[in-house]
Amino acid sequence: DQQVKQNSPSLSVQEGRISILNCDYTNSMFDYFLWYKKYPAEGPTFLISISSIKDKNEDGRFTVFLNKSAKHLSLHIVPSQPGDSAVYFCAAENTGTASKLTFGTGTRLQVTL
Amino acid sequence: NAGVTQTPKFQVLKTGQSMTLQCAQDMNHNSMYWYRQDPGMGLRLIYYSASEGTTDKGEVPNGYNVSRLNKREFSLRLESAAPSQTSVYFCASFGQGISQPQHFGDGTRLSIL
Repeated sequence: DQQVKQNSPSLSVQEGRISILNCDYTNSMFDYFLWYKKYPAEGPTFLISISSIKDKNEDGRFTVFLNKSAKHLSLHIVPSQPGDSAVYFCAAENTGTASKLTFGTGTRLQVTL
Repeated sequence: NAGVTQTPKFQVLKTGQSMTLQCAQDMNHNSMYWYRQDPGMGLRLIYYSASEGTTDKGEVPNGYNVSRLNKREFSLRLESAAPSQTSVYFCASFGQGISQPQHFGDGTRLSIL
């Protein structure tokens, strides 16, 4: 039972355009959501997060939107750069449970020139 | 700038052999985690340690044991390796405060023949 789903295994975007990565969750107990970026042969690195009390969080080129009623979040990258090419994992947490993260299966983003 | 250090980076085992994966963090974090990443499955939690002296099962604990040796170190042991345990293993640590995300090591790539 996949509680966090990333239905797009891959995404290709031109440099300078917007990249939109989507994530859906089923567990209504999740109250904190994170995006991690992963390059080959490296561990995931934290990118941006959002608490369930907010619907938007912005950090430079990265913005995460949360729609609690739809149990959906998205990561927007504007403008996309070639260095953004990586696998992006959505993760969710119930903050009352020792920070255990439930991850989605990841979306591979390729930013082309 | 070490963060979370995992050893070894690569290992090949034969079925039935035993192996301990080591993890150490230098951020004075209380909580530590072991995940495995398989193709198409995202990262799944094997075991975690919310604080020194405690360990708990995650989503996929069968076939593994852990030891929280001290605040810095958290090891994962395969007593009798099986081909189904071929995976990339990631260790992570977590500091206090909701804005502090889990920090990951660069992983151990384990192949069991």
